[in-house]
Amino acid sequence: EAGVAQSPRYKIIEKRQSVAFWCNPISGHATLYWYQQILGQGPKLLIQFQNNGVVDDSQLPKDRFSAERLKGVDSTLKIQPAKLEDSAVYLCASSPDRAFSYNSPLHFGNGTRLTVT
Amino acid sequence: AQSVTQLDSHVSVSEGTPVLLRCNYSSSYSPSLFWYVQHPNKGLQLLLKYTSAATLVKGINGFEAEFKKSETSFHLTKPSAHMSDAAEYFCVVRPTPNFGNEKLTFGTGTRLTIIP
Repeated sequence: EAGVAQSPRYKIIEKRQSVAFWCNPISGHATLYWYQQILGQGPKLLIQFQNNGVVDDSQLPKDRFSAERLKGVDSTLKIQPAKLEDSAVYLCASSPDRAFSYNSPLHFGNGTRLTVT
Repeated sequence: AQSVTQLDSHVSVSEGTPVLLRCNYSSSYSPSLFWYVQHPNKGLQLLLKYTSAATLVKGINGFEAEFKKSETSFHLTKPSAHMSDAAEYFCVVRPTPNFGNEKLTFGTGTRLTIIP
């Protein structure tokens, strides 16, 4: 099966500019996640979608970050305006999980490396 | 509440020698535990998972991990290291039951270096 696709692979922007990342999950996966991985740290969940609804966005900095998954398939994550501390790898993951299921692992894309200067 | 602690930020072993990456967890419920590997500029790949079945779990590429409830540990081992094992390894915990909220808690990672 095709994996989780993300684009672009790399992005360099100046602070206060805006940027968008795109993710196409594995076909049929209902759940989609965006993670932020700062250098030297483990991934941190930003937002989780179940189909096109938000399940958890408690750690998303909503004053500057937004995400959508309009048709329940692919998703975009936007940062506007960017800050220096947003420099990180942004990972998208998907899972076929439904409620009450806990066995299915997450499948990760290769990530987008963002550098804010 | 749940947390995971990876006891070593960096481990170096010689090729052909055993690998031990240590992980301790804390969870209010019976946990599901995972090990993921991340090669440079790649996404995370699942190595193995524990979900309350056998306590000794075998994964891909010769890795295995043992769930020890009394020690709240889930250490990752491999009998003989290979150069291709050089990567970052993450221990991950998720609560069980889950009720549709699959929030994972990641450790800070252990960088494994293989010495030729």
